[in-house]
Amino acid sequence: EIVLTQSPDFQSVTPKENVTITCRASQSVDSSLSWYQLKPHQSPKVLIKFASESFSGVPSRFSGSGSGTDFTLTINSLEAEDAATYFCHQNRFLPHTFGQGTKLEIK
Amino acid sequence: QVRLQESGPGLMKPSQTLSLTCTVSGGSISSGGYYWTWIRHHPGKGLEWIGYLYDKGDTFYNPSLKSRTIISGDTSKNVFSLSLSSVTAADTAIYYCARYDSPQFDFWGPGIRVTVSS
Repeated sequence: EIVLTQSPDFQSVTPKENVTITCRASQSVDSSLSWYQLKPHQSPKVLIKFASESFSGVPSRFSGSGSGTDFTLTINSLEAEDAATYFCHQNRFLPHTFGQGTKLEIK
Repeated sequence: QVRLQESGPGLMKPSQTLSLTCTVSGGSISSGGYYWTWIRHHPGKGLEWIGYLYDKGDTFYNPSLKSRTIISGDTSKNVFSLSLSSVTAADTAIYYCARYDSPQFDFWGPGIRVTVSS
C-alpha cells in the first residue's frame, strides 16, 4: 500500500503566520492527493483535491501544490479557527491511505 | 444536502462482532457514481480506510481488515452497514461513515466512538 508521511507532526504557530505542511508518498500518486482538516468533535472536511484544486467553499488562504511523491498544503495568514489536524489522502491506488496527520496549535 | 449519521454500540468486548449502521438522508445510496464508505480514526494516529460499497453492490475492502469486514447496504431503508468481527482493543477508534465522490470524501457523519474493553 502507499504510505503517506507528513511533516511536521506538530506545529505551534501564531495568527497571521504562513504555514506549510508536507506530504510524501512512498511511490508516485500522480496528482491523486487531497487534504482534509479535522477539528475536535467534528468530522473531517476536504480542503484540496487533485493536489491543488480548492474544494467548494474553502477559504482562499488554503492552497495545495505538488505531484508525484511530494506535496504541500499552505495556509496563508493563519487564523485562530485553523487550529486542527490536517491529513493528506491518496486515491491513486487501493487501499486508500492517509498521512499520520499534522496538528496545528495556535499560540 | 446529503447527511450521514452513524449508530451502534459504543462499548464492545473483545472477540465480539461490531455492527454499525449509517443512515443517509438527502441522497440515495442507490444513486450512481458514489461509494459509501467506512473510515476510522485512532486518536493520535492517522485515518484508516476500512472499505466501501458501490451502488451496484460491489464492495472494496482494506486488505488489512478484509478477513473481518463486511459492508452491506439496504436500499429500502437507505442505510449501509459495517460488520467487523473478532474485535480487539486495537479496534478502539472513532468510526465515520462517508460518501466518496472521486476524488474526495465529501460528506461525513459526525462519527461514533467505539471502545473495545473487557
